[in-house]
Amino acid sequence: DIQMTQSPSSLSASVGDRVTITCRASQGIRSSLAWYQQKPGKPPRLLIYAATTLQSGVPSRFRGSGSGTDFTLTITSLQPEDLATYYCQKYDSLPPTFGQGTKVEIK
Amino acid sequence: EGQLLESGGEVVQPGASLRLSCAASGFGFSYYAMSWVRQAPGKGLEWVSGISADGTRARHIDSVEGRFTVTRDNSANVLSLQMNSLRVEDTAVYYCAKDYGDYAGHDASDIWGQGTVVIVSS
Repeated sequence: DIQMTQSPSSLSASVGDRVTITCRASQGIRSSLAWYQQKPGKPPRLLIYAATTLQSGVPSRFRGSGSGTDFTLTITSLQPEDLATYYCQKYDSLPPTFGQGTKVEIK
Repeated sequence: EGQLLESGGEVVQPGASLRLSCAASGFGFSYYAMSWVRQAPGKGLEWVSGISADGTRARHIDSVEGRFTVTRDNSANVLSLQMNSLRVEDTAVYYCAKDYGDYAGHDASDIWGQGTVVIVSS
């Protein structure tokens, strides 16, 4: 199975900061990658699919980039409501594996 | 806006069986693949099972193969997960999720339920 490795596992940043989370696949997955946001006690919420496409209703400060094996989720200006854990997921082939998550905290 | 509502989670002993259900509303259920994703306490997300839009193709991860069965009733807009021979390590919140496409596990999931809790403990 293809493994997904996210980094960092956690980060702390100030409101207004630019935040970058990376996700690396153990093999190429083209652009078959999604990013999810999960707030405590809530289900995941789809932010980005096809590596770069913003899901309807998601603020434009969330941006996805990359293809092949290396992907990035960028929050261009961190907001207090962005406190959450972020997961990448590859879906080019079964099983659709998730990364281990990145917990974002607000300073 | 589509909605998913899971039910059926409870506390059971190892070796027991349980059936989870997920009622869908607000979207064309029969057109989309569906998935079950679980999250063990304090852990990350794990895709468990998926089924194609027409219900003819179902897949599971290796650790539940032969114990879990995913099915769907497109006439009733219900997704199910039959879980047999439950193990302590199956303890988790189980989410049902709608996939963007019609082939299980080959697309992002854009609608998620609130989850149902399964605890396997002696």
